[in-house]
Amino acid sequence: SQTIHQWPATLVQPVGSPLSLECTVEGTSNPNLYWYRQAAGRGLQLLFYSVGIGQISSEVPQNLSASRPQDRQFILSSKKLLLSDSGFYLCAWNRQGVYGYTFGSGTRLTVV
Amino acid sequence: AQSVTQPDIHITVSEGASLELRCNYSYGATPYLFWYVQSPGQGLQLLLKYFSGDTLVQGIKGFEAEFKRSQSSFNLRKPSVHWSDAAEYFCAVGGKTGFQKLVFGTGTRLLVSP
Repeated sequence: SQTIHQWPATLVQPVGSPLSLECTVEGTSNPNLYWYRQAAGRGLQLLFYSVGIGQISSEVPQNLSASRPQDRQFILSSKKLLLSDSGFYLCAWNRQGVYGYTFGSGTRLTVV
Repeated sequence: AQSVTQPDIHITVSEGASLELRCNYSYGATPYLFWYVQSPGQGLQLLLKYFSGDTLVQGIKGFEAEFKRSQSSFNLRKPSVHWSDAAEYFCAVGGKTGFQKLVFGTGTRLLVSP
């Protein structure tokens, strides 16, 4: 069966520090991968998605970047965090052509 | 552009009472519609989805939703709420063509009173 892992579960980082959040999917190949951010009262905002290794599409301009160095690995990064980067970050995946996502358990990021 | 509106930010329901969570969408073609549930500090779990066919779809945990094209709605219902249903519920819409991006509503937080 397929599983999705996200880590860390919680993170407190100072303003200006770098960020790296990791997401991996097991039990499938060539998944579509997504990063969403959830801010209080604002629902889920799609940040990045990827259809393959090295293929990243950005939905909104921001202080973050994403990379997909391996087929089932999706990384969310920042060189210098801002206070506004605080939120709950969710990774999700689906199979090519199959609608509906499976979500990871999320990372709570607090920038102080 | 796709959009989803969940007009109720919070809803409180007594345990055992019926529940209806509202969802209205905007989409230029035939939509794919989803309901997800999120427990505090957790990821989202798929409750049910509508692609085509019967407009009343059944999901997990006793939930159902009805697609009404004329009203651009996809409301979630449950006949008898349990305390464990307290969570946040998200409606989402996606399209048949192109990449399978989903657009989510802002969510409805369900509180269950004893």
